[in-house]
Amino acid sequence: GENVEQHPSTLSVQEGDSAVIKCTYSDSASNYFPWYKQELGKRPQLIIDIRSNVGEKKDQRIAVTLNKTAKHFSLHITETQPEDSAVYFCAASKWGRDDKIIFGKGTRLHILP
Amino acid sequence: SAVISQKPSRDICQRGTSLTIQCQVDSQVTMMFWYRQQPGQSLTLIATANQGSEATYESGFVIDKFPISRPNLTFSTLTVSNMSPEDSSIYLCSAEGGRMVGAFFGQGTRLTVV
Repeated sequence: GENVEQHPSTLSVQEGDSAVIKCTYSDSASNYFPWYKQELGKRPQLIIDIRSNVGEKKDQRIAVTLNKTAKHFSLHITETQPEDSAVYFCAASKWGRDDKIIFGKGTRLHILP
Repeated sequence: SAVISQKPSRDICQRGTSLTIQCQVDSQVTMMFWYRQQPGQSLTLIATANQGSEATYESGFVIDKFPISRPNLTFSTLTVSNMSPEDSSIYLCSAEGGRMVGAFFGQGTRLTVV
């Protein structure tokens, strides 16, 4: 089955700097890669996703990149702000095949003042 | 995105008892899932709730312990049976498909077994 590895487990960056979280997946048939943000005590929220037919997607300060050959995908947050502090989860699934979503172990992002 | 309502939001239960958690989506969805999340940890998939048939369980989870129902395309329940303190966790339902793009979560049920 699919296995998603996520690094780093903890990341601290100065406010205004960029943060990058990286994930790898094992199943080459996976074609949908969502990212979730979970604030303390709240449910995971979908913040951005990418499908395997594109290499990059941007939404304001966040962007995701996908390298299908290497089975890598990354989340980039620019101009970080205090409200970006949260746990971020990457995930992978086979969209359109009614398949389950497998999550990475999460990255706790701290934005330092 | 659709609205996913989960209840109860929290409960404290005696060991040996059972708790049923409900998940209601405000529109028809293709897939519904149940996850468990320990504080500070990732989401572990318990099972996929299949409409009109038995749920599909992940390794380490069995139907006798976590019976699941999904009578229609908008509703599912998860029962945690014969509870022990090790079952204390946050349980989350998730839904995708229909008019949703991506998977969305209910607010979670914080279960404490004493």
